[in-house]
Amino acid sequence: EVQLLESGGGLVQPGGSLRLSCAASGFTFNNFAMSWVRQAPGKGLQWVSGITNSGDTTHYADSVKGRFTISRDNSNNTLYLQVNSLRAEDTAIYYCTKDSGWLPRDWGQGTLVTVSS
Amino acid sequence: EIMLTQSPGTLSLSPGERATLSCRASQSVGRNYLAWYQQKPGQAPRLLIYDASTRATGIPDRFSGSGSGTDFTLTISRLEPEDFAVYYCQQYGTSPRPFGQGTKVEMK
Repeated sequence: EVQLLESGGGLVQPGGSLRLSCAASGFTFNNFAMSWVRQAPGKGLQWVSGITNSGDTTHYADSVKGRFTISRDNSNNTLYLQVNSLRAEDTAIYYCTKDSGWLPRDWGQGTLVTVSS
Repeated sequence: EIMLTQSPGTLSLSPGERATLSCRASQSVGRNYLAWYQQKPGQAPRLLIYDASTRATGIPDRFSGSGSGTDFTLTISRLEPEDFAVYYCQQYGTSPRPFGQGTKVEMK
């Protein structure tokens, strides 16, 4: 059974940073691309970033480019999202997804990031 | 960048009725790489349909997807009580991979 467990969220001041993690199990991690999708409170889904199975190619939404960095550790089956220069509008639940190609097929339960002073 | 527009914003229906949800893309979606997700309050989204018309594993056959190019449709043939939720479309053929803004299917 695929399991994706996000962690690392919390309350952070504007301009601050966090590193989100997604611990994966139940599948061969280094065979699959992975992504991050977020959802602001009461709002819709927003694709944030994706990374290929090897980690050699990454993609970002324009709204986070230059501030967020996606990475992965295939030896520890973990996906990361380094989020810097946080803004109030980055407040959201951040979901990690296991992708088939670039299709988000399996989703974690998310970790909440709140940006507020 | 492809943008997706879903309509209507809200659909008020009764159990047993048919639901038809629309997703329109600003340009053609390559290889019809268009997916539909269902999300219930407090839960992560669940994949329903991919490649525009293929049901994901375990999805009941009352859910069907159709369309190609720029116009796509999710149909729920007969609404069950558990189908009242928010539905999102997403294109995953090119990056960035946006979602539509969602359609809420609520009980009349």
